[in-house]
Amino acid sequence: AQKITQTQPGMFVQEKEAVTLDCTYDTSDPSYGLFWYKQPSSGEMIFLIYQGSYDQQNATEGRYSLNFQKARKSANLVISASQLGDSAMYFCAMRPINDYKLSFGAGTTVTVRA
Amino acid sequence: DAGITQSPRHKVTETGTPVTLRCHQTENHRYMYWYRQDPGHGLRLIHYSYGVKDTDKGEVSDGYSVSRSKTEDFLLTLESATSSQTSVYFCAISPRDSENEKLFFGSGTQLSVL
Repeated sequence: AQKITQTQPGMFVQEKEAVTLDCTYDTSDPSYGLFWYKQPSSGEMIFLIYQGSYDQQNATEGRYSLNFQKARKSANLVISASQLGDSAMYFCAMRPINDYKLSFGAGTTVTVRA
Repeated sequence: DAGITQSPRHKVTETGTPVTLRCHQTENHRYMYWYRQDPGHGLRLIHYSYGVKDTDKGEVSDGYSVSRSKTEDFLLTLESATSSQTSVYFCAISPRDSENEKLFFGSGTQLSVL
């Protein structure tokens, strides 16, 4: 399995501020996809954003943006203008071209404070 | 929302008993996956299927078997449950095996093995 590292087990952020969630990955595949999922306390897995390894621009989806640094093998998620509803566990995941299996990091818990 | 139903949603069983979890999809997607979620490990792939009667092992397949007799159903069986198999189990589906294809997840099954 590919190795995905999320070094921040838990983070606190003030409402309306931005927060960056770190993700690094290890792969030798020439092509791969990077994904972020959100898991609220209710337990479902919600897809947030996707970045292709050959994409020239960083992906954005509303308040979510992905800071992709290919040479550093990092794919950090930035949540802008945090809301109370952003409190959740966030998972970074990668799907390489060689076997297409989606591998996950350990996750980061984000708590948004009012 | 993707049409994925996992059953049961919760189950408590005793060590040594067989357990079968069911994943049912209405999307007619070819690819189906079983993951388990444990604290500190994120989601780890147990088994996956790339068509009817076509299955293969993931990274944590020991103690688990799967079957797929119809496109819409993917069963995960614990032949003799152990306490280490206490976990949250997620089924996921995907229309294609591609590095840019996201997975859609079911709501999860909380399994407790006493």
